[in-house]
Amino acid sequence: QSVLTQPPSASGTPGQRVTVSCSGSSSNIGSNPVNWYQHLPGTAPKPLIFKTNQRPSGVPDRFSGSKSGTSASLAISGLQSEDEADYYCAAWDDSLTGYVFGSGTKVTVL
Amino acid sequence: DVQVVESGGGLVQPGGSLRLSCAASGFVYGNYAMSWVRQAPGKGLEWVSVVSRFGGLAYYADSVKGRFTISRDNSRNTLSLQMNSLRAEDTAVYHCAKHTGSTWGDNWFDSWGPGTLVTVSS
Repeated sequence: QSVLTQPPSASGTPGQRVTVSCSGSSSNIGSNPVNWYQHLPGTAPKPLIFKTNQRPSGVPDRFSGSKSGTSASLAISGLQSEDEADYYCAAWDDSLTGYVFGSGTKVTVL
Repeated sequence: DVQVVESGGGLVQPGGSLRLSCAASGFVYGNYAMSWVRQAPGKGLEWVSVVSRFGGLAYYADSVKGRFTISRDNSRNTLSLQMNSLRAEDTAVYHCAKHTGSTWGDNWFDSWGPGTLVTVSS
């Protein structure tokens, strides 16, 4: 069972906005930056958002991140077919002294 | 280009051992912490272990503590994961991941390898 909780799935039609939530606690999201990764099984995960709301070079501005207290969110606006993938939140946990990942959310483009 | 590539995966019996390696290139390897992250079949990503830039400090997930040992050789730009007392639940694709800094709490994984598959089965 993952320390960070995400919904198992989310979906939208092309052009729509989709939001993925990530719920944690004071020892992880509440006190450390949140990072998001996009993953297609069988490939290397791709960093999407770092330090809660920053995008690595090359990531479209359709992707955005936010945090409030012990929860974080990833928003994908202008959904495109190539956005269909698994999305994971992650943060360092001060109590566990290790990284924790969310359970993952599969985003489907209808 | 920054690149990390894993090797050493394979089929091993329960209770056996296996050593994974990760070859790094395209960056000053000794400046960055490194981690192993795995994904079991049908499951999500799970962080396994992190090692400091000089190898003097390491942390492990509770699920592998006491059985796995992470190490690095900065002269060869390689990262290793020695896995002992392997269990069926250790079956996964193991990814090597580069941190963006020398520590871990406030940085992230900016480069990942494609992974190497470890199968624990009799």
